Amino acid sequence: QVQLVESGGGVVQPGRSLRLSCAASGFVFSTYGMHWVRQAPGKGLEWVTTIWYDGNTKYYADSVKGRFTVFRDNSKNTLYLQMNSLRAEDTAVYYCARGGGSGWSVWGQGTRVTVSS
Amino acid sequence: SYVLTQPPSVSVAPGKTARIPCGGNNIGSKSVHWYQQKPGQAPVLVVYDNSDRPSGIPERFSGSKSGNTATLTISRVEAGDEAAYYCQVWDDSSDHWVFGGGTKLTIL
Repeated sequence: QVQLVESGGGVVQPGRSLRLSCAASGFVFSTYGMHWVRQAPGKGLEWVTTIWYDGNTKYYADSVKGRFTVFRDNSKNTLYLQMNSLRAEDTAVYYCARGGGSGWSVWGQGTRVTVSS
Repeated sequence: SYVLTQPPSVSVAPGKTARIPCGGNNIGSKSVHWYQQKPGQAPVLVVYDNSDRPSGIPERFSGSKSGNTATLTISRVEAGDEAAYYCQVWDDSSDHWVFGGGTKLTIL
């Protein structure tokens, strides 16, 4: 079945780096744009970044631009989020979601990132 | 930057109709998507492109727009509809996706 599975979350000190992964299955990954969305504890959804199907176009939220990098490996059906210079305010559950022209109908279960000394 | 405004909470009795507004400048020119999120779970798409429903979403869920406001309407609400609801649009002036702040729907 169509599925997204995130991994790579954990506890990290401020200023350090972390890489999240999102493994896709059940659909042709290379034909879909993909997104990362995060949700801080007790807060709403915040869009983080979008990457087009071919990896050639990327968009970033102002809060992460210059610190986070999204990329994908279509041969491995995997989406990545490289997070550098992490801050306490990056603490959140990070979700990947499948794009498309009609809303985002496929989401992963999320991976938790805690930035704390 | 583009802002979508939702009330923090809406309350409704079982069997009644819940209406969740989402306000945004010139929202009439944008496609609005709506998501339901229950505690501890990932969001679920319930309405896309303003008023269309994905397969598997009950007909009780519907979307509309008027002026600068989009509205998610849930008819004959049930206890299982208690959740947070988020609206979403693409802002092509900034190349950003934008979520509303979310509305917590409480079934009385």
